[in-house]
Amino acid sequence: EVQLVESGGGLVQPGGSLRLSCAASGFTFSNYDMHWVRQTSGKGLEWVSAIDTAGATYYSGSVEGRFTISRENAKNSLYLQINSLTAGDTAVYYCAREDLGGSGGLGDWYLDLWGRGTLVTVSS
Amino acid sequence: DIQMTQSPSSLSASVGDRITITCRASQSISYYLNWYQQTPGKVPKVLIYGSSILQTGVPSRFSGSGSGTDFTLTISSLQPEDFATYYCQQTYRTPPTFGQGTKVEIK
Repeated sequence: EVQLVESGGGLVQPGGSLRLSCAASGFTFSNYDMHWVRQTSGKGLEWVSAIDTAGATYYSGSVEGRFTISRENAKNSLYLQINSLTAGDTAVYYCAREDLGGSGGLGDWYLDLWGRGTLVTVSS
Repeated sequence: DIQMTQSPSSLSASVGDRITITCRASQSISYYLNWYQQTPGKVPKVLIYGSSILQTGVPSRFSGSGSGTDFTLTISSLQPEDFATYYCQQTYRTPPTFGQGTKVEIK
């Protein structure tokens, strides 16, 4: 079955750290760029970070310098190391797979497969 | 960052209604605009990418249009399973940004 399964969320104190994992199965993980997207309770979606097949990384301004995305293709796994957590980081974190639209344009992509998410709660 | 603004933020409609949701970008994004549907308790699901291309398996009652800064998602005949929150997303420039969402509720 083609799927993504996140883990590693939990309750952490402000200033703390967590490492989120995303296990991929059912497809050739190394062929895909991967993303992390978060969603606060009852709120909308916020893109967090991405890593391409070559290992190049990208971050939103709100997390750059605190979060680190990485991948381990041999283990079909995506990771997000999150440090210096604040209450504003409380959210469900989804990993998602990028698929291409086919036109060849740099912006011609979308997120076609999402995990069920892992909840990160930052509270003292 | 490119700001994406959806309107309305919510709407009430009946089964069978035709509805349109608008998404406006703060600058031109060509046609690099995706639409996602999220039903309660579920993960987002892509409906349309590249402004107007229907994702495989998505019913044809969904359609998208637009380019530049103004885009629309139309559901031609609302079905019970379509009551959900819809998000637009621009992928023209990093960081890719989402609209705030439009919640479609049953009238």
